[in-house]
Formats: sequence, C-alpha cells, structure tokens
Amino acid sequence: DADVTQTPRNRITKTGKRIMLECSQTKGHDRMYWYRQDPGLGLRLIYYSFDVKDINKGEISDGYSVSRQAQAKFSLSLESAIPNQTALYFCATSWTSGPSNTGELFFGEGSRLTVL
Amino acid sequence: GDSVTQMEGPVTLSEEAFLTINCTYTATGYPSLFWYVQYPGEGLQLLLKATKADDKGSNKGFEATYRKETTSFHLEKGSVQVSDSAVYFCALQFRNQGGKLIFGQGTELSVKP
Repeated sequence: DADVTQTPRNRITKTGKRIMLECSQTKGHDRMYWYRQDPGLGLRLIYYSFDVKDINKGEISDGYSVSRQAQAKFSLSLESAIPNQTALYFCATSWTSGPSNTGELFFGEGSRLTVL
Repeated sequence: GDSVTQMEGPVTLSEEAFLTINCTYTATGYPSLFWYVQYPGEGLQLLLKATKADDKGSNKGFEATYRKETTSFHLEKGSVQVSDSAVYFCALQFRNQGGKLIFGQGTELSVKP
C-alpha cells in the first residue's frame, strides 16, 4: 500500500459543484502539502500544514480551502469549481525536524480533476 | 521572488545518448536543490539533492552539481535508457520556510530504442 494515498484518483465534475480531494498518510510525518500541476507550469503550492492547528496559504490558494482533520489526513476543497481548476493535484508529506528531516517531500500518486 | 527555470522540453534522445537538462535558479540566500522525477501515471519521487555549493548529488547514474557562481543545478546522465523516459523537475527549498519546494516547469524526456 502507498504511504501517501489520494482519493479520488480521477474526478469529472461540473462548474459550480463542490469537490473534496482527500489525502491520508501512514508515514507519521507532521507536514503536509497540496500542489497543483499544470502542463508547462510545473507544480505550484496551494496550501501547507505543519500540524492540525497550523495551516498556511501557498502561492495559489484563491478558490481553495483545506482541512487538517488529523495528523494523517489533509483534505483540499473547491467550494465552487471552475474550469481553470482542471489540473492534476498532488498531496505531499515531510518531516519537520529530527535526523529523518532530509528535506525530501513524499508525494501521492495524484488526483486528476476535470471541471466541465 | 524565488524561482526555478528549466530548459523546455520535450527532449527526445536515442538510447545510450548523453543527457543534460539545464536548471537555473533565482533566490535570496542559499537554498537546497533537488531533482525529482515523475514516471508516467505516478507521483513525483526524489532523484537526487544537494544542500550546499559544490555538492554533487547522484543516483541511478544521474548527477547534478550545485554551482553557486552560476546559480545552476544541471542534471546529467552519461547513457540514457528507455526506462528513463519521464518528466524531470528541478526544485529549490529553504528549510526555514516550511520545507516547501519551489519547482521549475518540468522537462519531459523521451528515450527511443
């Protein structure tokens, strides 16, 4: 089983609908991130969280919200989806500190969202 | 702000050819530098990293050297294989900024037999 699991893997929805993408991890990491991937733009950070009570905006947070329900779970919501939110979304995790903190982020397999 | 620029793709090579993917960065300070690889249908995984000037990261035959004077971290491999076909991302990180990675736009590599 994957250490970082995203659901759903694929989703097609209509403009104006509310969508939630979920991420869960079994790595025991405290930091979690949501990125968006668009062709030619690389990955851009939407939100990140250091722990359940610490959530921070990334560079493209407008139109998105997040919830850190537990250390292992971090969900991304689109309250009213629009077509330019069509993209591949990735969740990632990492350590905050300690000898295992190499700076590496561990990514899920991605959630492909299409907004019609 | 901080940013990463990669050479545009797609890059198409024959098997056993030499690979270079250019990466330069703009940053105030001295970040850690990473190369991530994304195989078709998968998430990103770390390929190699370097944390200070003149460090060389290496893995699976790939290498990249942190060049502070040219703010570059070019990825090289002496002899590519079909299985190296993927999208490669260069990224920078400041550890005191939440560990977040700032990515380049990605370079798609296609290796033909």
